[in-house]
Amino acid sequence: SQQGEEDPQALSIQEGENATMNCSYKTSINNLQWYRQNSGRGLVHLILIRSNEREKHSGRLRVTLDTSKKSSSLLITASRAADTASYFCATLKRIQGAQKLVFGQGTRLTINP
Amino acid sequence: NAGVTQTPKFQVLKTGQSMTLQCAQDMNHEYMSWYRQDPGMGLRLIHYSVGAGITDQGEVPNGYNVSRSTTEDFPLRLLSAAPSQTSVYFCASSYTGTGQETQYFGPGTRLLVL
Repeated sequence: SQQGEEDPQALSIQEGENATMNCSYKTSINNLQWYRQNSGRGLVHLILIRSNEREKHSGRLRVTLDTSKKSSSLLITASRAADTASYFCATLKRIQGAQKLVFGQGTRLTINP
Repeated sequence: NAGVTQTPKFQVLKTGQSMTLQCAQDMNHEYMSWYRQDPGMGLRLIHYSVGAGITDQGEVPNGYNVSRSTTEDFPLRLLSAAPSQTSVYFCASSYTGTGQETQYFGPGTRLLVL
C-alpha cells in the first residue's frame, strides 16, 4: 500500500473557488512534500513541510501538517484554469531496511472556467 | 542549467528486446532515482542511488538494472522487455543522498512494449 495516500482521487471545481486535497501516511516522517504534475509532464515541487512545522504558505498555496493524525492538506485558494493538474504528496517509507521517498496515487484537480 | 534530462522521449519495443533509458543531471546532485508511473498507480520507485558507485532497489526493481558510474548519469536498463513494463518512466534527482529534499524531475520517457 502507498505510504502517502491522497484524497479525493479527483476533484472538479469552478474557477475562483478554493481546492483542498488531503494526504494520509502511516509511519513517522521527517518531512512531507507536495508536487504538481501537468498532463504529460514531469512532477514539479510545490512545498516541503517539516515534521516540526504545522503550516506553510507559498503564494496561493497553503499546506498544513498534523502529525498526530498523520495527515496533511494542500489548499489552493482562488483557483485558476492553470491549476488543472494532478497533485501528489511524497513521504519516506521504509523498504527493505532503508528509507525511500515514495509518492501517493495523486489527486486529479480540474478547474472549470 | 539543463536540469534533469531524459532520452528518448518515446520508445516502442518488442517483447524480449533490451534497451537503456538515459538520465542526466547537471546540478551536481548526489541522489538520483527512477520511477514508473502507471494509470491509477501513482509513481513507484524502481531504483535509486545516493551517490556515484552506490545503488539500491526501490519498490519495483524486478526486470530493471541501474548503475551510477558518474555523479551526472543514472541509466536504467531493461534487460528483456515485457508488456508489463509499458509505462512512463521518470528520473529525478536531489541535492543530498538522503532522498528527503526537493526532487527535480525529468520530462519522462514513454515506453510501449508490444
